[in-house]
Amino acid sequence: ETGVTQTPRHLVMGMTNKKSLKCEQHLGHNAMYWYKQSAKKPLELMFVYSLEERVENNSVPSRFSPECPNSSHLFLHLHTLQPEDSALYLCASSQDMTGSYGNTIYFGEGSWLTVV
Amino acid sequence: QKEVEQNSGPLSVPEGAIASLNCTYSDRGSQSFFWYRQYSGKSPELIMSIYSNGDKEDGRFTAQLNKASQYVSLLIRDSQPSDSATYLCASGAGNQGGKLIFGQGTELSVKP
Repeated sequence: ETGVTQTPRHLVMGMTNKKSLKCEQHLGHNAMYWYKQSAKKPLELMFVYSLEERVENNSVPSRFSPECPNSSHLFLHLHTLQPEDSALYLCASSQDMTGSYGNTIYFGEGSWLTVV
Repeated sequence: QKEVEQNSGPLSVPEGAIASLNCTYSDRGSQSFFWYRQYSGKSPELIMSIYSNGDKEDGRFTAQLNKASQYVSLLIRDSQPSDSATYLCASGAGNQGGKLIFGQGTELSVKP
């Protein structure tokens, strides 16, 4: 248990569906992240929020829409996805974005997404 | 394009041996480096972080950093079957070190 909780753990959705992934961190952190992990590919940073403001959007298609209503919660809204979007989506948090000594990034257990 | 490169393996070592995992990175501005362990079907778990040139030891794990060569390594002494996993190397850039760049991971198999 890292203090970062993701729901649902598994999601199967059709290409016309709209669904959301939820992340909650109980660590008092100020930065939250969405990463995507596809088979045989490195973890890819998708979005970064610092103090509830989006500070990074790594050329992610608009069918992925993040939301950070407060520093403890992060959502990833999904709509009209493609089969190639099937992957493990990982939420993470850290004290801040500086990467200073001891500023560890903690990952949630991930949400396995299958698009059919 | 900032990159982190790892040998994807699989790396197979006998139980009790030393496993050596290597990583190179392209961004000279990187200031922080991490090794994560990921078991199949699970999320990455941080096992080592290193910020300065040289060695850092934690139990059976030793991380080594050489910024001049842009090289990071992880040594696992007395390898156990429970160490069998994929090991991810990651670098953090400058003052935005929270934005990690990951390598593709090295699969380690420790044979009893």
